[in-house]
Amino acid sequence: DAKTTQPPSMDCAEGRAANLPCNHSTISGNEYVYWYRQIHSQGPQYIIHGLKNNETNEMASLIITEDRKSSTLILPHATLRDTAVYYCIVIGADYGGSQGNLIFGKGTKLSVKP
Amino acid sequence: DTAVSQTPKYLVTQMGNDKSIKCEQNLGHDTMYWYKQDSKKFLKIMFSYNNKELIINETVPNRFSPKSPDKAHLNLHINSLELGDSAVYFCASSRDRPGQSVRWSGNTIYFGEGSWLTVV
Repeated sequence: DAKTTQPPSMDCAEGRAANLPCNHSTISGNEYVYWYRQIHSQGPQYIIHGLKNNETNEMASLIITEDRKSSTLILPHATLRDTAVYYCIVIGADYGGSQGNLIFGKGTKLSVKP
Repeated sequence: DTAVSQTPKYLVTQMGNDKSIKCEQNLGHDTMYWYKQDSKKFLKIMFSYNNKELIINETVPNRFSPKSPDKAHLNLHINSLELGDSAVYFCASSRDRPGQSVRWSGNTIYFGEGSWLTVV
């Protein structure tokens, strides 16, 4: 089973910020939080990742709580092309064959509306 | 240029047949993967190779056999296809192998566009 929980769906108005939450209450100290998205009929696409500090890149920002038990992906100005399923996963730095770290859950289906 | 390319994109075949899906990456990565996305949309890893060496072998039927002729290619062969094999299969690659903790923070996985397999 996936080690994260996300709401199944969210709506966002075009041009507004989309805030996608993820709970990972069992995260361990050496596990990173990764976000991917999957646009319909395409392969998953990497967005951003972090360990404990907030991160920002050209696509999004990642806010990780101090206890690291949850995080929020922020798309600052959502466009129609951001409509996709967003996956939050945790991946251990010492993966060492722990297969469960590479399971994507059902993610959050984000619908950006005009 | 497509970074991770897989063929065919769509495949419809009858039960009992043997089929292959090919995958190639031009990113110079050392690690490649096969993932399966089922009808419930869960995306699960099946296999992973690092420099032609099998490093992850998830619990999948032995009818599924990956083959890596070189580190840029990872093909998936499926024998005696069953109805339950119908799914989308994604090939992927990453620079490093999972577990390389020093460099893991940059170990992004790049996915192909998927191969839609329908067994009838």
